[in-house]
Amino acid sequence: AQTVTQSQPEMSVQEAETVTLSCTYDTSESDYYLFWYKQPPSRQMILVIRQEAYKQQNATENRFSVNFQKAAKSFSLKISDSQLGDAAMYFCASKTQGGSEKLVFGKGTKLTVNP
Amino acid sequence: DSGVTQTPKHLITATGQRVTLRCSPRSGDLSVYWYQQSLDQGLQFLIQYYNGEERAKGNILERFSAQQFPDLHSELNLSSLELGDSALYFCASSVGRGRTDTQYFGPGTRLTVL
Repeated sequence: AQTVTQSQPEMSVQEAETVTLSCTYDTSESDYYLFWYKQPPSRQMILVIRQEAYKQQNATENRFSVNFQKAAKSFSLKISDSQLGDAAMYFCASKTQGGSEKLVFGKGTKLTVNP
Repeated sequence: DSGVTQTPKHLITATGQRVTLRCSPRSGDLSVYWYQQSLDQGLQFLIQYYNGEERAKGNILERFSAQQFPDLHSELNLSSLELGDSALYFCASSVGRGRTDTQYFGPGTRLTVL
């Protein structure tokens, strides 16, 4: 069974600074995908970034990047130049390929951005 | 805007009642997923449909059922509602099976059971 753990219930960062959100996962599959979703106060779930496990290169989307450590089963999200609009709940999720393509989510990290 | 629509946005009902939540996937997407987000359980997968057929089941109660219609929209039916069913219900859609398949979420339906 897949499990996803986010050990930081809350984090805060100053505007324009950098913050890293942690995520660890466990799966027995060799082919899987990892995601970070953002949930602002509007409650909409927004895809931030995706990483394929077979790719060694860390994914990057503008100010968002990941540090994917496959052996350690770690998948952290780095947000650079934090903006007030980045304040949200961030969920780490995993998905295996084949069979059920369900997403398994962590409990989330609430990010506060201070002006 | 993800392109996934859900209606209604809010639903308030009483215990013992039955409700239907509706989801329209993004144009071209064949897979629909239902998730429940509650304070105590977090985000949990309920059920997946692919092109009208049930693909996978998660932690879905027997009181809950779903279906996907020929036009690919999906409905989640919740019956004999209990206070604990109060939650945010998300629908997500994706193209279908494939290596780069990504799920895009609708805005959710907030269900309050009184």
